[in-house]
Amino acid sequence: GEDVEQSLFLSVREGDSSVINCTYTDSSSTYLYWYKQEPGAGLQLLTYIFSNMDMKQDQRLTVLLNKKDKHLSLRIADTQTGDSAIYFCAERFTGFQKLVFGTGTRLLVSP
Amino acid sequence: ETGVTQTPRHLVMGMTNKKSLKCEQHLGHNAMYWYKQSAKKPLELMFVYSLEERVENNSVPSRFSPECPNSSHLFLHLHTLQPEDSALYLCASSQTGFEAFFGQGTRLTVV
Repeated sequence: GEDVEQSLFLSVREGDSSVINCTYTDSSSTYLYWYKQEPGAGLQLLTYIFSNMDMKQDQRLTVLLNKKDKHLSLRIADTQTGDSAIYFCAERFTGFQKLVFGTGTRLLVSP
Repeated sequence: ETGVTQTPRHLVMGMTNKKSLKCEQHLGHNAMYWYKQSAKKPLELMFVYSLEERVENNSVPSRFSPECPNSSHLFLHLHTLQPEDSALYLCASSQTGFEAFFGQGTRLTVV
């Protein structure tokens, strides 16, 4: 199947770290992505990781990839209230112009 | 501003109406996508066009008809829709093998 799974909801306090998890299906996916969607808006690309990498750091964002378990995570350090949004992981299927998205995780950051 | 523009932003239509959604990208990408986002299924891929040819059609009802006249424009023609078709319709574009950039979406309400 092509299901990309995420937990639906995460609540953290401002200043804490947030970890959003994702499991994907295609072991031969070339790129995996994290997108952010704020209320009433489209999806904004946050970061991505190539499948031959285990980790990628980009300012407050750290992406970890476990290919054996087909598990992807996004860690947001020093989470701010402006980080409250829905976060989607996505995988690009090999050989296709096809980007399949996870179910989305709603992150709520409280002061 | 992602370089992908969708119009209109909001649309209310009756079940017997015919309307069209428009998407335009100024990024020089060679692939364009329509996604449907609703409460029941967060992000469903509907259509993919690569080099102006449809390469993916995810069992979408015929009341949705896409058109890609050139690499910069994508339309979604709507006719005799049902209330359950009410959703946020997102357009995206990408260059082959790279991340997708999304428009702001069209919020469609079918009455």
